[in-house]
Parts: sequence; structure tokens; C-alpha cells
Amino acid sequence: DTAVSQTPKYLVTQMGNDKSIKCEQNLGHDTMYWYKQDSKKFLKIMFSYNNKELIINETVPNRFSPKSPDKAHLNLHINSLELGDSAVYFCASSLSGGGYEQYFGPGTRLTVT
Amino acid sequence: SQKIEQNSEALNIQEGKTATLTCNYTNYSPAYLQWYRQDPGRGPVFLLLIRENEKEKRKERLKVTFDTTLKQSLFHITASQPADSATYLCALDSSGTYKYIFGTGTRLKVLA
Repeated sequence: DTAVSQTPKYLVTQMGNDKSIKCEQNLGHDTMYWYKQDSKKFLKIMFSYNNKELIINETVPNRFSPKSPDKAHLNLHINSLELGDSAVYFCASSLSGGGYEQYFGPGTRLTVT
Repeated sequence: SQKIEQNSEALNIQEGKTATLTCNYTNYSPAYLQWYRQDPGRGPVFLLLIRENEKEKRKERLKVTFDTTLKQSLFHITASQPADSATYLCALDSSGTYKYIFGTGTRLKVLA
């Protein structure tokens, strides 16, 4: 009965590879997010989807492409991975609007070698 | 430029005391401000939300204040316990959009 789940939890890959991270929420929320947390623990928003529509795209390299097949899922595909992409990626969901809490997934630790 | 600042140093306090964490922001006009707790290796967990027209919000041992004139929020944990040790993040919405900006977090350690 996990509210927001992500797979995989760990991802180790080489530079230049393409990888995907999947996220699912069973809370009935209509807004989902991807965040990146770097080694200094700074949590930065990357994308937000509301009802499967992209509403926030925070100057993220276009090697990162989110896809939302339905309101409960938001996947993140990364092409041509670089060393600087190493971080923990968190998916989150909420009801729409600014006045609602976000529920975070457990994170995916991506290590690019 | 826009900034959200939290105590960058770790905060150590004795069990039973009140912990006070600070979140200061510049060049934002948030309608909402939230506080989250993050434990090592886990995602942030929501604690409290306060609206711009609210001065104070409480939940059990937690209290948040929001001063839009000072552009500051204070987060208090009363009767602190070692289990309260974690990193605490403040987050504010950017002008009522769907976009929350997080502070850098403050690591709290409650000593037994």
C-alpha cells in the first residue's frame, strides 16, 4: 500500500548510456513532480505534470524527458548520461494547487561512472 | 536574486529542550510555506503547511510561524526527543504556481 513508489532504488551505469526511472502513486493525486537532490542535499524541482500535462520544466537539459502515460504514473528517461547526473531523484505527488502537501517517493540513487 | 536560507550549520540540542529552526527568504511572495522532515536515505515527509494570512500553526509538539514582513518562518519542536533528529526542509510556493522551492535544510541532532 505504498503511496508513491519508484523503481529502481539504485541505478549504476556508465557515461553515455540511456536509463529510465519509473514512478507510480496510488493517492489519486493529479499533480506529479520530479526532483533532483545533489550531493549537498539541495532538492531542486525538475518537472511537474498536472493531469498528464507538463506545467513546469525547470531549465533541465533536454537529455531528460519526462513522460506521463496517465495521472498515476510519471517516468523519467535520461539520454546520454553524464557524470554530473549522479544524484538522488525523487518523485512526488500532490493535489493541484499550491496549498497541498507533497508526498515523496523513496528516491532513486543514480550513479554515473 | 531569489533565495531561501536555512541554518546551514547542524543544530545540536539537548533532549527535552525546544529546537528552533529558521527559514529566511528574499524576493519571493509565497502564498504557502511548508516544512518537511528528511531522514537519511529517505524522501522528505510533510509536517506542516502555513498560509500567508496565518501567523502560527501547531500540530502536537510542532509549531510554525510565518512573518511575511520579515520574510521568515520559524519551526519549533518542543520537548525534543532523539527521534526528532533529522534534516528539516522549508519549502515555499513560487507565486501560487505548482512549483515549490526548497531551502537547503537544517540538520537537527537531539542529544540524549
